[in-house]
Amino acid sequence: EIVMTQSPATLSVSPGERATLSCRASQSVSSNLAWYQQKPGQAPRLLIYGASTRATGIPARFSGSGSGTEFTLTISSLQSEDFAVYYCQQYNNWPPRLTFGGGTKVEIK
Amino acid sequence: EVQLVESGGGLVQPGGSLRLSCAASGFTFSSYWMSWVRQAPGKGLEWVANIKQDGSEKYYVDSVKGRFTISRDNAKNSLYLQMNSLRAEDTAVYYCASSASSSSWWNYWGQGTLVTVSS
Repeated sequence: EIVMTQSPATLSVSPGERATLSCRASQSVSSNLAWYQQKPGQAPRLLIYGASTRATGIPARFSGSGSGTEFTLTISSLQSEDFAVYYCQQYNNWPPRLTFGGGTKVEIK
Repeated sequence: EVQLVESGGGLVQPGGSLRLSCAASGFTFSSYWMSWVRQAPGKGLEWVANIKQDGSEKYYVDSVKGRFTISRDNAKNSLYLQMNSLRAEDTAVYYCASSASSSSWWNYWGQGTLVTVSS
């Protein structure tokens, strides 16, 4: 099983500041990585797939980078609606053994 | 508008069974792989199972193999999860979600249904 590790567990950021979230895979997943945002009581929402491609309707302040085992989600200027939990997910293996990171909570500083 | 609406959750005793349903609308259900993803209270996300467009391929996380069965009815635009021999650790919100392939990201998600396994 590919283990995904996210850091930090909690990130305290002021509105308007930049947030950088990390995700590490226990083995290479190439660029087969997605990022999701989840707010309390809501389903996850797809933000990024293919490590760096924004999903439909996702604002340009969200960007993804990385390949292999190291990935980053950057939110360039945090808006009030961005405070949430963010998960990375790999989809590199066959047969599918899809795994998520433990999440990073972005909270208001 | 794409909609995925789960139902069938509830309280069940350890060792019991439950069948979850997911009603899809607003997209061509038969063209997508479908999955169940769960989230234990206060915890992260865990993929449970997925099924090919025609139901011919199914995959499961190891912890539910032999206990859970995923199925679909394309004529009814519906996805199902039959859960048997339920354990306390199966307690979670269960989401249905759609994807373009078996090993992929999920673009659409339902709002989830809560399953509680407790005596």
